[in-house]
Amino acid sequence: DQQVKQNSPSLSVQEGRISILNCDYTNSMFDYFLWYKKYPAEGPTFLISISSIKDKNEDGRFTVFLNKSAKHLSLHIVPSQPGDSAVYFCAASGTRGGADGLTFGKGTHLIIQP
Amino acid sequence: DAGVIQSPRHEVTEMGQEVTLRCKLISGHNSLFWYRQTMMRGLELLIYFNNNVPIDDSGMPEDRFSAKMPNASFSTLKIQPSEPRDSAVYFCASSANREAEAFFGQGTRLTVV
Repeated sequence: DQQVKQNSPSLSVQEGRISILNCDYTNSMFDYFLWYKKYPAEGPTFLISISSIKDKNEDGRFTVFLNKSAKHLSLHIVPSQPGDSAVYFCAASGTRGGADGLTFGKGTHLIIQP
Repeated sequence: DAGVIQSPRHEVTEMGQEVTLRCKLISGHNSLFWYRQTMMRGLELLIYFNNNVPIDDSGMPEDRFSAKMPNASFSTLKIQPSEPRDSAVYFCASSANREAEAFFGQGTRLTVV
């Protein structure tokens, strides 16, 4: 049973527009959430995180929103750039920063079209 | 710092053979994680260590899998004997403390034929 779900295997967005990637979770014990980006033949790279005590965290073009009551988070990328084309993984942990390991979604392949 | 270093990058082996995957942590990091990525199950946590001590190995699929940290900067994941269903990409990751995100290596693509 998947505890972290990314229901869109792929998403295509035009360059310059906003990309919105969604993630749902089922385990109410999760209290720290992260987004990772992965290029082919490379390991996942940390992008941005959010603690359950917040509902928004922003870092440059990347913003993560958390709705605890709905057990839903989203990653917004604006404006989208060609280099953003990658697979994005949502991850969750019961402790801050994933010190006890991360539970990952299956990923969303984001394609930025020129 | 060179980041988390995994070796080999690719490994092709015959069913029944022993396979050893290696990982060097980022200097100063004290938590070590092994993950496996497959098409069916995505990224799964196999085992993690904190200060060289295994904390949770509940993700290790079978007794054929074992992991060690002989010192603070190095870890191995061993599969003996290997089977075709073990074919996957294996990632090692490390983190500095309980409040840091994990940094991943580039992975080892294992193919068991």
